[in-house]
Amino acid sequence: DAEITQSPRHKITETGRQVTLACHQTWNHNNMFWYRQDLGHGLRLIHYSYGVHDTNKGEVSDGYSVSRSNTEDLPLTLESAASSQTSVYFCASSELGRGLLNEQFFGPGTRLTVL
Amino acid sequence: GENVEQHPSTLSVQEGDSAVIKCTYSDSASNYFPWYKQELGKGPQLIIDIRSNVGEKKDQRIAVTLNKTAKHFSLHITETQPEDSAVYFCAATTGGYQKVTFGTGTKLQVIP
Repeated sequence: DAEITQSPRHKITETGRQVTLACHQTWNHNNMFWYRQDLGHGLRLIHYSYGVHDTNKGEVSDGYSVSRSNTEDLPLTLESAASSQTSVYFCASSELGRGLLNEQFFGPGTRLTVL
Repeated sequence: GENVEQHPSTLSVQEGDSAVIKCTYSDSASNYFPWYKQELGKGPQLIIDIRSNVGEKKDQRIAVTLNKTAKHFSLHITETQPEDSAVYFCAATTGGYQKVTFGTGTKLQVIP
């Protein structure tokens, strides 16, 4: 069955270190998204991609970057981790292209702690 | 940009009672309103959605209503069961580029 996976599921790192969170989907979806979830804020969009080599900034993109070299993967990189980036991170994907409205499928999440 | 407000943040109901979660949105161009359910330790999962050309939609025990004039929409769960306990998120999007703005979530507890 098609699915979306994230790794690692849990990560503890130190301030200033570079961290990369992986997201892999086998739905063959064009659209992929990264969100962070914090108490009182719900889900906030970090970055998103509508296809290979396409990336866009969301509402909380500072300190994060993404790259899309193939359809299946959208890794999220924290260039220099900060304590404010301690959060639960969710990757999501959706099927169709621009102009169409579709369900987003979410991964299981990565809990990141920055000490 | 779009702003979505969701109330209440927590909701406790007795098993068998109904639960209602309300959301408002700011962008009159929004035309798609999904609702997601997030169980503990898992990612959100779509449970129902409504498009702007429809006022109400039902799927078994859950229903969603939309009032475009007032810019608000609501989730109704009837005959609640313990497995309905979860965090529920409303969301809104203007479509086009699939970028979705989420509400802050409602933690629903169904007491057996």
